[in-house]
Amino acid sequence: EAQVTQNPRYLITVTGKKLTVTCSQNMNHEYMSWYRQDPGLGLRQIYYSMNVEVTDKGDVPEGYKVSRKEKRNFPLILESPSPNQTSLYFCASSLGGGAVEHFGDGTRLSIL
Amino acid sequence: GESVGLHLPTLSVQEGDNSIINCAYSNSASDYFIWYKQESGKGPQFIIDIRSNMDKRQGQRVTVLLNKTVKHLSLQIAATQPGDSAVYFCAERSHGSSNTGKLIFGQGTTLQVKP
Repeated sequence: EAQVTQNPRYLITVTGKKLTVTCSQNMNHEYMSWYRQDPGLGLRQIYYSMNVEVTDKGDVPEGYKVSRKEKRNFPLILESPSPNQTSLYFCASSLGGGAVEHFGDGTRLSIL
Repeated sequence: GESVGLHLPTLSVQEGDNSIINCAYSNSASDYFIWYKQESGKGPQFIIDIRSNMDKRQGQRVTVLLNKTVKHLSLQIAATQPGDSAVYFCAERSHGSSNTGKLIFGQGTTLQVKP
């Protein structure tokens, strides 16, 4: 089954404790991206990757890092999480930028 | 002071009725549009898309209409069912300075189906 898998689905942690949210897709998509979804603000792109070793900032990249060492994986790293990063995060993949994006089921992060 | 959360527009329809969900997009140069459905606890799922050289596209029980003159997109759902209850949002494709395509998402509309 074609899918985007994120882990963990839920995480409660404390300010400053580094965390990584993993994302994996099995559709051989070149383009992957991370979004955060906040009430009243919709989906906002954090980072995207056009292909392996090619990443770029989206609209709200501050406080986040990503890497794309393999085509299927695109982890999101919060080096020093802060409470304003409490949000619902989605990973997505597609054939290319601007194409239909296939989303994972989300990771709800709470930073205390 | 007290903060107030912003609420999504909500459309409440009777089961069996038709639903129309609207979306205003921002960029007259956008050339491709997508409707997504997001159920509680899940990620957005693709419903239907339309290119800017079309005015209408039909799927199974869904129709998307595009009015480029007023930059308006609508999603029509025929014979709405309880399983259609979700948040629906549109996305438009714009192109950045490097001509890289990017999806811009709308805020979303909550559809509630009453049995």
